[in-house]
Amino acid sequence: GEDVEQSLFLSVREGDSSVINCTYTDSSSTYLYWYKQEPGAGLQLLTYIFSNMDMKQDQRLTVLLNKKDKHLSLRIADTQTGDSAIYFCAFPAPGGSYIPTFGRGTSLIVHP
Amino acid sequence: GAVVSQHPSRVICKSGTSVKIECRSLDFQATTMFWYRQFPKKSLMLMATSNEGSKATYEQGVEKDKFLINHASLTLSTLTVTSAHPEDSSFYICSARNTEAFFGQGTRLTVV
Repeated sequence: GEDVEQSLFLSVREGDSSVINCTYTDSSSTYLYWYKQEPGAGLQLLTYIFSNMDMKQDQRLTVLLNKKDKHLSLRIADTQTGDSAIYFCAFPAPGGSYIPTFGRGTSLIVHP
Repeated sequence: GAVVSQHPSRVICKSGTSVKIECRSLDFQATTMFWYRQFPKKSLMLMATSNEGSKATYEQGVEKDKFLINHASLTLSTLTVTSAHPEDSSFYICSARNTEAFFGQGTRLTVV
């Protein structure tokens, strides 16, 4: 099965860029996802990238995929206090069944 | 967009009692729903796949007699934690898939 690693914490100053990293072992996923979990809330799909892409940009979010190194990253430009949350990378299970495997989640802390 | 509603958001119960958590897909029919458990500083762990009209499929290590899942209709799945103990205290999240996976708000269970 998929093995996904994320660092647990990231602290940034408001206005700076945040980069959240994720490494994985299985390279067969068609999509790779980023979810956001705000305090006391469920998960929200933030963005996703097809496995045949290297980069996807969506407003302040930039997803980079390095298939060679099996590395996925999420960059948040001009980070705001409202971006404080836990961010999970996720991969569908192989075989076409959508049962995501999640990383441990990175807690993003944004301070003034 | 599609919404998954989970209830209750928080529950405190005494050790030995049972707790029921509901997961509803509000504007689409979900033949399959998923139940996750989130441990502190760890990733979401898939507990079971709930199938409408049939028995749930449990992941290895999850006690089916302790975590009862019922998927009586296309819009409702329930998770009952039976004879709860303090070690069952956790954050439980359900998910249902339409064109993408949508997650409930989660339930914080505290067993005292």
